[in-house]
Amino acid sequence: QSALTQPPSASGSPGQSVTISCTGTTNDVGGYFYVSWYQQHPGKAPKLVIYEVRKRAAGVPDRFSGSKSGTTASLTISGLQTEDEADYFCSSYAGKDSMLIFGGGTKLTVL
Amino acid sequence: QSTLRESGPTLVKPTQTLTLTCSFSGFSLNTSGVGVGWIRQAPGQALEWLALIYWDDDKRYSPSLKTRLTITQDNSKNEVVLTMANMAPVDTATYYCARLRWPALHIDVWGMGTAVTVSS
Repeated sequence: QSALTQPPSASGSPGQSVTISCTGTTNDVGGYFYVSWYQQHPGKAPKLVIYEVRKRAAGVPDRFSGSKSGTTASLTISGLQTEDEADYFCSSYAGKDSMLIFGGGTKLTVL
Repeated sequence: QSTLRESGPTLVKPTQTLTLTCSFSGFSLNTSGVGVGWIRQAPGQALEWLALIYWDDDKRYSPSLKTRLTITQDNSKNEVVLTMANMAPVDTATYYCARLRWPALHIDVWGMGTAVTVSS
């Protein structure tokens, strides 16, 4: 199973919005409403941001939102803040055999 | 508060078997819908799911690593153990254990990770 496809980098200025895409196939992203997004700061463990496509994890501000269309899921961060600068990974359930597949990660820079 | 902590060797030699232990607290692996899994991240690389064990002792493995992996649980100790056979330098990575929620398999609690280097 190939990794989900994410752009390697994204950027935005404080206060702006940015959207990160995550493209898979009908066997994973397109087949289930089980896409998650994780935020990872350097040297830290990942942190759950979004699960089941659009549900925010506990404590995550509503500036973070998730969506999905076909085989592409998206994470949108509005009102960018400097602390949002991090790596973002998507993941998707991929069926009972492949189970869980991750994206390659997107490095978000807040300019 | 639910926490997980990984422990194991920091250095293993090629062809050796790696054994990692995940000690968790604040939740029970007997709880329906809960799983504990292992994920790794090679330097500068993406996350890679390895294995998970569910509350009912169902076990799942990454298809590409299935022949090398074994995951077990010891509920009396609140531990999950992962063994990976025939280690190679490409297996050098930070290994995380984490709590997963069925059926979506989102990871809502991560351990801090443990770095493993494979070198002779």
